[in-house]
Amino acid sequence: GDSVTQMEGPVTLSEEAFLTINCTYTATGYPSLFWYVQYPGEGLQLLLKATKADDKGSNKGFEATYRKETTSFHLEKGSVQVSDSAVYFCALSGSGIIFGKGTRLHILP
Amino acid sequence: EAQVTQNPRYLITVTGKKLTVTCSQNMNHEYMSWYRQDPGLGLRQIYYSMNVEVTDKGDVPEGYKVSRKEKRNFPLILESPSPNQTSLYFCASTRDRGDRTEAFFGQGTRLTVV
Repeated sequence: GDSVTQMEGPVTLSEEAFLTINCTYTATGYPSLFWYVQYPGEGLQLLLKATKADDKGSNKGFEATYRKETTSFHLEKGSVQVSDSAVYFCALSGSGIIFGKGTRLHILP
Repeated sequence: EAQVTQNPRYLITVTGKKLTVTCSQNMNHEYMSWYRQDPGLGLRQIYYSMNVEVTDKGDVPEGYKVSRKEKRNFPLILESPSPNQTSLYFCASTRDRGDRTEAFFGQGTRLTVV
């Protein structure tokens, strides 16, 4: 069945560092791909999405490119801030939504 | 404002005492689902509903029931809660099951069963 694998956390970085959180997927067909973010004490909210191969989703300085050839959707940000500390979930939507296990990100000032 | 509303946000209960967590959405979405979030396990789907009176099991349905009598509401019922159901629960809705746009999530319900 469909599945999402993302890098284990926690990830700890200093402010202004470069961030990459890896995500790969297995799916039949052509799913949409998403990154959701969960700030402490809150629900999940959509960070960015891509609906077809080579699409790049972007929001709040984060980017991810839908790579069909490598079945990947890695999340990147050039300069992280303390306020980016959260849990990040990679997900796919084909027939229902399937989430990765989440990656906790800590940004140190 | 488009939203999914869950209640209560926090609940502490005792083993075996029936409880219901409510979920309501105001977007006229057909597809609604319940997830539980546990450390190291991510989000796992409990039940989903593709429309009124249409519900089906997700990955971890044991110990839970749901109903979908109206399009906007999708309550989660624990008939006899046990400590292993202590978790953070989220309700979500999308326009339909195959929707390629985003899912909207409630704020979560943190349940503790003692």
